[in-house]
Amino acid sequence: DSGVTQTPKHLITATGQRVTLRCSPRSGDLSVYWYQQSLDQGLQFLIQYYNGEERAKGNILERFSAQQFPDLHSELNLSSLELGDSALYFCASSQTPGLGNTIYFGEGSWLTVV
Amino acid sequence: GIQVEQSPPDLILQEGANSTLRCNFSDSVNNLQWFHQNPWGQLINLFYIPSGTKQNGRLSATTVATERYSLLYISSSQTTDSGVYFCAVPQGGSEKLVFGKGTKLTVNP
Repeated sequence: DSGVTQTPKHLITATGQRVTLRCSPRSGDLSVYWYQQSLDQGLQFLIQYYNGEERAKGNILERFSAQQFPDLHSELNLSSLELGDSALYFCASSQTPGLGNTIYFGEGSWLTVV
Repeated sequence: GIQVEQSPPDLILQEGANSTLRCNFSDSVNNLQWFHQNPWGQLINLFYIPSGTKQNGRLSATTVATERYSLLYISSSQTTDSGVYFCAVPQGGSEKLVFGKGTKLTVNP
């Protein structure tokens, strides 16, 4: 158990819908990351937050947004869903931003868009 | 951006065999992590190893940062070692991890 908690674990929804994925980082971790894993793109970085502020952005679509709340949990919002958004979405956390930090991943949220 | 290449892409072993997985990266790094993704999709940290050698039970890893590669050794493999092994390095001076495509390991009883 990495200590990073993600909900829901599985989600099936229709095209055009909106979903929210939730993440609680490890106790004491201030930095949260979101990654997407799909069959064709592999594991890709989406976005990072540190202590409530956006710190880095990757290949995140405009239909997607995220935030980190004062209690440090984070949510990833996916809207106007398309079939191609079906993927495994990971949240990860680390103590502070910095290249010397190990990043721990949650178990992921499986999203299926039908 | 930085490129990460892993080899081999697929590896099939009999239980008890040893194996070496390789990760090459295109730029100097000061952070490298190895992960194991089990058949249920869970990504598990194996090593944080920017340089040198570390061991954890039957697994060990070596990173030669000056030559831009890392090796993951699995000894006396077990069926529970099956899954995909990823290495990941940061993009430039950021904390964004760039993952290789992984090595899919199948250990047969």
